[in-house]
Amino acid sequence: GIQVEQSPPDLILQEGANSTLRCNFSDSVNNLQWFHQNPWGQLINLFYIPSGTKQNGRLSATTVATERYSLLYISSSQTTDSGVYFCAVRNTGFQKLVFGTGTRLLVSP
Amino acid sequence: DTGVSQDPRHKITKRGQNVTFRCDPISEHNRLYWYRQTLGQGPEFLTYFQNEAQLEKSRLLSDRFSAERPKGSFSTLEIQRTEQGDSAMYLCASSFSRRGYTFGSGTRLTVV
Repeated sequence: GIQVEQSPPDLILQEGANSTLRCNFSDSVNNLQWFHQNPWGQLINLFYIPSGTKQNGRLSATTVATERYSLLYISSSQTTDSGVYFCAVRNTGFQKLVFGTGTRLLVSP
Repeated sequence: DTGVSQDPRHKITKRGQNVTFRCDPISEHNRLYWYRQTLGQGPEFLTYFQNEAQLEKSRLLSDRFSAERPKGSFSTLEIQRTEQGDSAMYLCASSFSRRGYTFGSGTRLTVV
């Protein structure tokens, strides 16, 4: 099945810093989503981005489908950004999203 | 729109007992998914419904697991003869067509 790798696995930032999270996938996809799982376990959908670039406030994401990767940018990080960020993808012809192993982010004041 | 609701939030059960979880999706969403997440891992797909039809099941879903979505509204996930390895967070998500998913808060199952 499709493989999804995320890097880095762990990231520690000071408040106000910027960061880039990467997601590589092993096959063509028709659906790619970024999620934030907060410390209470709630998964929040950040972006639906099978291709192109989107921005939402301090967050933006870019997916280059032909090169099989996606990037999530976090600018001016805040302590509330802490948690685990997951990339999830779906192969053409399947319904399931396959999740990566996540990037655990800790933003300190 | 009250989001995706899951009930109960927590369930502790003895090994060998049956448990049932409920998911109420966003009302206009026709697609419903169940996932399972263990500590330190990303969610793993269990099953998918489009309206009331169960269209895809993971090999993770042994014959002790069954899911239903009567009338294409709420869904239930039942685990029979629970084992300690079933301890996990069970997540439900819904979506409309092929767009972004909305996840519920999950049901945390502990089998003792």
